[in-house]
Amino acid sequence: NAGVMQNPRHLVRRRGQEARLRCSPMKGHSHVYWYRQLPEEGLKFMVYLQKENIIDESGMPKERFSAEFPKEGPSILRIQQVVRGDSAAYFCASSRDTPDSGANVLTFGAGSRLTVL
Amino acid sequence: QKEVEQNSGPLSVPEGAIASLNCTYSDRGSQSFFWYRQYSGKSPELIMSIYSNGDKEDGRFTAQLNKASQYVSLLIRDSQPSDSATYLCAVINSGGSNYKLTFGKGTLLTVNP
Repeated sequence: NAGVMQNPRHLVRRRGQEARLRCSPMKGHSHVYWYRQLPEEGLKFMVYLQKENIIDESGMPKERFSAEFPKEGPSILRIQQVVRGDSAAYFCASSRDTPDSGANVLTFGAGSRLTVL
Repeated sequence: QKEVEQNSGPLSVPEGAIASLNCTYSDRGSQSFFWYRQYSGKSPELIMSIYSNGDKEDGRFTAQLNKASQYVSLLIRDSQPSDSATYLCAVINSGGSNYKLTFGKGTLLTVNP
């Protein structure tokens, strides 16, 4: 049973380009979460999605960032017109149960490391 | 700003010793606390969760929670070189949901053979 799969693992973009990060949750998991880890910082929540729905995007920057989790295929975090400050590790997590279930456990992927030149 | 603070380390202990990792948090209403282990370039892996004051033991790991002092710690007994990793403390703040973890920056632990 593969874990949470993220790709690409490393991505280099020049300022102004677009970055697309993909996340396939664990089999049987229908809840996806994106976190960002800036250099020298802890992981910070960005967005929570279920299939075809954004549930909570309170941690997403208001501009240039968007996320989706389509009916088919992986969840995608999209960053338009990247700037150097977007350089970070972006982690995806998934869970089987609803977030407020006592048994809910987030399983993290290995992350996608974005470098903006 | 609700924060979680950890010493960045590195914390270096000899093999077989007890490693003690500490974490403080600012939100007095927090109810759920977690320790994750993260090897370099790998995913954070949940190793302990604790919700009540006191100690919780799982194998060589013991989590300790003191809500009055807003302090949570992780003890690793009989430390092994394979325990060398960054340990992340995470908290669910009051009014938050189970998915919205607030993480510390992590403590790098090195266990020397």
